[in-house]
Amino acid sequence: GESVGLHLPTLSVQEGDNSIINCAYSNSASDYFIWYKQESGKGPQFIIDIRSNMDKRQGQRVTVLLNKTVKHLSLQIAATQPGDSAVYFCAENMKGTYKYIFGTGTRLKVLA
Amino acid sequence: GAVVSQHPSRVICKSGTSVKIECRSLDFQATTMFWYRQFPKQSLMLMATSNEGSKATYEQGVEKDKFLINHASLTLSTLTVTSAHPEDSSFYICSARLTSGQETQYFGPGTRLLVL
Repeated sequence: GESVGLHLPTLSVQEGDNSIINCAYSNSASDYFIWYKQESGKGPQFIIDIRSNMDKRQGQRVTVLLNKTVKHLSLQIAATQPGDSAVYFCAENMKGTYKYIFGTGTRLKVLA
Repeated sequence: GAVVSQHPSRVICKSGTSVKIECRSLDFQATTMFWYRQFPKQSLMLMATSNEGSKATYEQGVEKDKFLINHASLTLSTLTVTSAHPEDSSFYICSARLTSGQETQYFGPGTRLLVL
């Protein structure tokens, strides 16, 4: 199982394998979703975003999937590399407010 | 483009003193800036929304008199932690929204505050 708060959920992946990081969002009225990568001691770095009128969006080596029925968001990273090791956060934008609500985060560890 | 800077990157201060953190949008004008706080191994929590030329809007549970926010220009917002205490030690991160109507926020590198 996974716990939050004092311990971030951790996903360990072999280098070269694909990674899937999941996120459950809270507000059915949210209309814009973003994935961020955060390395230790640094600010969040934008990875990819998706609007609520889409269910899939692809970037370079990354794909975001949105399932509004169950309020679920996932980030897929293809051919995971050591440089992908970081904490990944999803964020939802509350429609009409421009405010983000961040998920609890997942630590991705890439094993050589 | 869309670079946000923060200064200082880290600060150590004595309990009871005040600390000012600057957030600048370097290559764009930001009508709205946001201030977040992040404790170790936790997520980012929004503290307040800062709009240029008007008073900041604080999230529930955030003391406006303790965390003073000023957004005097379209490229600069400041957060002042007044009478800092050890429990205020945290990672403070700002973000800026590019233009009206766009939701994307660009984040600064963060400021590590340690109150002794």
